[in-house]
Amino acid sequence: QVQLIQSGTEVKKPGSSVKVSCKASGGTFSSYVISWVRQAPGQGLEWMGGIMPTSGKITHAQKFQGRLTMTTDESTNTAYMELSSLRSADTAVYYCTVAMVTWGQGTLVSVTS
Amino acid sequence: DIVMTQTPLSLSVTPGQPASISCKSNQSLLQSDGKTYLYWYLQKPGQSPQLLIHEVSNRFSGVPDRFSGSGSGTDFKLKISRVEAEDVGVYYCMQSRQLPPTFGPGTKVDIK
Repeated sequence: QVQLIQSGTEVKKPGSSVKVSCKASGGTFSSYVISWVRQAPGQGLEWMGGIMPTSGKITHAQKFQGRLTMTTDESTNTAYMELSSLRSADTAVYYCTVAMVTWGQGTLVSVTS
Repeated sequence: DIVMTQTPLSLSVTPGQPASISCKSNQSLLQSDGKTYLYWYLQKPGQSPQLLIHEVSNRFSGVPDRFSGSGSGTDFKLKISRVEAEDVGVYYCMQSRQLPPTFGPGTKVDIK
């Protein structure tokens, strides 16, 4: 069964960007939608967007319009999520998930001046 | 966006006793393909969410049969027939009938 391994904790300043990676091991995710979900401290789950690796088709939540970039590299079975113009409200754990079934371990992004 | 609500928001259960969580949506989750896109997840403390139930009532691989899901349209329920200590955490329902997928606020379950 595929496992998703995410990159490590990031500490960023307001206004900067962050790029989180999500590597699949033990399988490939190219046939499934890769989604990104975030969870602010002590809060619930929020879907950010998804990408279908084979077609490149992307959907994203309206609130992240213009700030969210999702890509995949099928040669390395890795997905990437880049969020720009960071603000303190973006402080959260960011998860990648394949088909909303298999989830990565999460990446903490802390936005602080 | 489809709004998901859950009740109760917290639940304290004696081991071996049953527990039930309700989830409601403000629109029907029945899709034209005949499927109802309602899912249940458990997020154990310090862990990522894990899928328990897909499409209302189908247990995911490896999920104990003490977990069951039911419901239709806009009204759904997750039942745990006999709660065990390992079942503590926050339970979320989620819909993917319509983009964006949306989650309920979560129900925190702990052991008495």
